[in-house]
Amino acid sequence: QVQLKESGPGLVQPSETLSLTCTVSGFSLTSYSVSWVRQPSGKGPEWMGRMWYDGDTAYNSALKSRLSISRDTSKNQVFLKMNSLQTDDTGTYYCTREGHWGQGVMVTVSS
Amino acid sequence: DVVMTQTPPSLSVAIGQSVSISCKSSQSLVYSDGKTYLHWLLQSSGRSPKRLIYQVSNLDSGVPDRFSGTGSQKDFTLKISRVEAKDLGVYYCAQTTHFPNTFGAGTKLELK
Repeated sequence: QVQLKESGPGLVQPSETLSLTCTVSGFSLTSYSVSWVRQPSGKGPEWMGRMWYDGDTAYNSALKSRLSISRDTSKNQVFLKMNSLQTDDTGTYYCTREGHWGQGVMVTVSS
Repeated sequence: DVVMTQTPPSLSVAIGQSVSISCKSSQSLVYSDGKTYLHWLLQSSGRSPKRLIYQVSNLDSGVPDRFSGTGSQKDFTLKISRVEAKDLGVYYCAQTTHFPNTFGAGTKLELK
């Protein structure tokens, strides 16, 4: 069955770079696109960007200058890197594929 | 960006009651392929969001037919008939027609 699982550090220092990994199973990254979505505590989700099945990427313009999404199809992994983190980047980060969501990873930006 | 406006922000409901949630978009959600990419999700407490309905009215696998979605263009509604305790949580509408994809602010469904 389709599964997505996020992993990465729970705590990041302000101004540092966040690196997250989404490991997928049950489908091929060359057939389906994967998006990253984040959600501050108590607020609605925010779409961050997408890795298309063909390797192209799309980003939320509000984050584009800080965000990079890449993949390793041999490992079934999609990566998110976002630099210059601030406290308002705190929240739960999810990877998703057409109706399927990972469990999320909580990221706290704090010194 | 397409703004998704959900109302009401919260609903108190008795078990067995029926409720409706409205979602209005700032732009038409009809894509160039003629399809409308408006979806409904439920986030139960402490859980990841779960999609219930895709493309306005199509139920995801395993979703009971007590849930139904209607609407077109910019105006959409989620109806839940005979609410059960497991239906409680926050409901979001989401559009994937336009970039960036956007979500409503949510409607919290709680017990009266």
